[in-house]
Amino acid sequence: ILNVEQSPQSLHVQEGDSTNFTCSFPSSNFYALHWYRWETAKSPEALFVMTLNGDEKKKGRISATLNTKEGYSYLYIKGSQPEDSATYLCAPWMDSSYKLIFGSGTRLLVRP
Amino acid sequence: DSGVTQTPKHLITATGQRVTLRCSPRSGDLSVYWYQQSLDQGLQFLIQYYNGEERAKGNILERFSAQQFPDLHSELNLSSLELGDSALYFCASSGAGSSPLHFGNGTRLTVT
Repeated sequence: ILNVEQSPQSLHVQEGDSTNFTCSFPSSNFYALHWYRWETAKSPEALFVMTLNGDEKKKGRISATLNTKEGYSYLYIKGSQPEDSATYLCAPWMDSSYKLIFGSGTRLLVRP
Repeated sequence: DSGVTQTPKHLITATGQRVTLRCSPRSGDLSVYWYQQSLDQGLQFLIQYYNGEERAKGNILERFSAQQFPDLHSELNLSSLELGDSALYFCASSGAGSSPLHFGNGTRLTVT
């Protein structure tokens, strides 16, 4: 069973705050790491797919880093806005497996 | 619009019945994934198909089966339904390699 941990489970921040959360996964047999944003009453949407150790990806105010040697990825949101409120999911793809197993997510609420 | 179409949107049925959920992937995508989201749970991986062949299996019950057809659409069959099968069932499709998943809007199944 693939152990994917996301922390914190939930986070409440004020508009304008910067925040970050963590995704931990087994470091052996790593192939790729996916991040998704899942807004209430919608479907998950892909943010990033990262494959290389040291990878950094950015989309607007959201960025992510990847450390495959120690098995973690950070997602950063700079200057949070209420529209950033969502659950952020990570899913590692391990080599030799075609399963994309999602973590339980970090639920972010940005208060105006 | 992700390009992934799931039908029906809602399904209400009784215990013991059988239902079929349908998914049309995004044009050009060969991989189809099925996920289940039960109340207050995360996305649970059920099964993945690639170009008509089953590629990976998750915690899919024996009462559940799926297939991907030559035109690449996929169906998830749920039989001998129980109250606990009530959930939101997502289909997602992706391109080759570590491409991101594109999710459909889901089918909400209610078993009464």
